[in-house]
Amino acid sequence: GENVEQHPSTLSVQEGDSAVIKCTYSDSASNYFPWYKQELGKRPQLIIDIRSNVGEKKDQRIAVTLNKTAKHFSLHITETQPEDSAVYFCAASKGSNYQLIWGAGTKLIIKP
Amino acid sequence: ETGVTQSPTHLIKTRGQQVTLRCSSQSGHNTVSWYQQALGQGPQFIFQYYREEENGRGNFPPRFSGLQFPNYSSELNVNALELDDSALYLCASSLEQRQETQYFGPGTRLLVL
Repeated sequence: GENVEQHPSTLSVQEGDSAVIKCTYSDSASNYFPWYKQELGKRPQLIIDIRSNVGEKKDQRIAVTLNKTAKHFSLHITETQPEDSAVYFCAASKGSNYQLIWGAGTKLIIKP
Repeated sequence: ETGVTQSPTHLIKTRGQQVTLRCSSQSGHNTVSWYQQALGQGPQFIFQYYREEENGRGNFPPRFSGLQFPNYSSELNVNALELDDSALYLCASSLEQRQETQYFGPGTRLLVL
């Protein structure tokens, strides 16, 4: 079955700098890759997603890139702000029910 | 915030008991997925319901069961609770046409003593 690995587990960056979180997946049939942000005690919130027919997608300070050949995708956050501090999860899915297979999460810490 | 709601928000049970968790999906969404999130980990897929039928199941034992009702709300039932069932249980709903995009409810935090 599908396996998603996520790195790093913790990332600390200075406010205003960029942050990059990377994920790899094992199943080449996976075709949908969302990123979720989860603040402490709250629900996962979809922040951006990408489908396998697209290589890059951007939404203001957030971008996601997908390399299907290498089976990895990355989240890029520019001009980080204190409110970006949270745990970020990548996920992959495919097929008829799109069950999400999740990475282990990255705790992003924005230092003032 | 999404329109997905869950009840109760917190629950304490003892080992061996049974529990029912409820989810009301976002208006117009006919697909509901349930996930278990242990502390410090990513969510794990339990199962999905589409138009009242199970539409996929993860690696969970049969004592985890579910239902979806005609109004697309859903229940997750867990029998013979074990200590390891302590977790945050999340439901997510999605539109038929865009089934891959899932919107999560706030979760039910279950503690099994």
